Amino acid sequence: KAGVTQTPRYLIKTRGQQVTLSCSPISGHRSVSWYQQTPGQGLQFLFEYFSETQRNKGNFPGRFSGRQFSNSRSEMNVSTLELGDSALYLCASSLGTGINSPLHFGNGTRLTVT
Amino acid sequence: KNEVEQSPQNLTAQEGEFITINCSYSVGISALHWLQQHPGGGIVSLFMLSSGKKKHGRLIATINIQEKHSSLHITASHPRDSAVYICAVGIQGAQKLVFGQGTRLTINP
Repeated sequence: KAGVTQTPRYLIKTRGQQVTLSCSPISGHRSVSWYQQTPGQGLQFLFEYFSETQRNKGNFPGRFSGRQFSNSRSEMNVSTLELGDSALYLCASSLGTGINSPLHFGNGTRLTVT
Repeated sequence: KNEVEQSPQNLTAQEGEFITINCSYSVGISALHWLQQHPGGGIVSLFMLSSGKKKHGRLIATINIQEKHSSLHITASHPRDSAVYICAVGIQGAQKLVFGQGTRLTINP
């Protein structure tokens, strides 16, 4: 069974631009959750999608948004990029909601904003 | 104060030693996760617990709901166990995970 696939692996963007990251979950998994990891803040929850519905959102500004498609693939979008958005962005999929189900993580997308 | 506190932040040990990493939390939880992150970023889920104890190979995880505390133990540690270990809790009713800052474990041969 293929694991969780995140694309692209690396991304360099300029302040003010926008970026879209993609996450393909394990086949059959209906939940996709997104996380930001920085050296200063560690891992932080961004949001979770389950069956195309956003279940919850972390404490991030509205520039961070996402969606989930009918095949469970998910995209995350960050608009008007700031230097502080430089981070490793991870997604994870799970059979049930990611809070109470084992999580399967992708390898992440490393975003650098210059 | 963070909702999830891990200790120690850094741990260096010799191969073969018994390792304990602790996680304390201050909120009501629905589940607790132990994660392992190797250099390069990849994260692997080790355990998900809501009560009691789980064992997988040389790894053991325990949780005490009343004391709001969990431990991850590694028996007969090996250099390949060197990684960052992260505790995460699912907040009851909030449908989100909150993470500890991680414990960096280094096992020397």
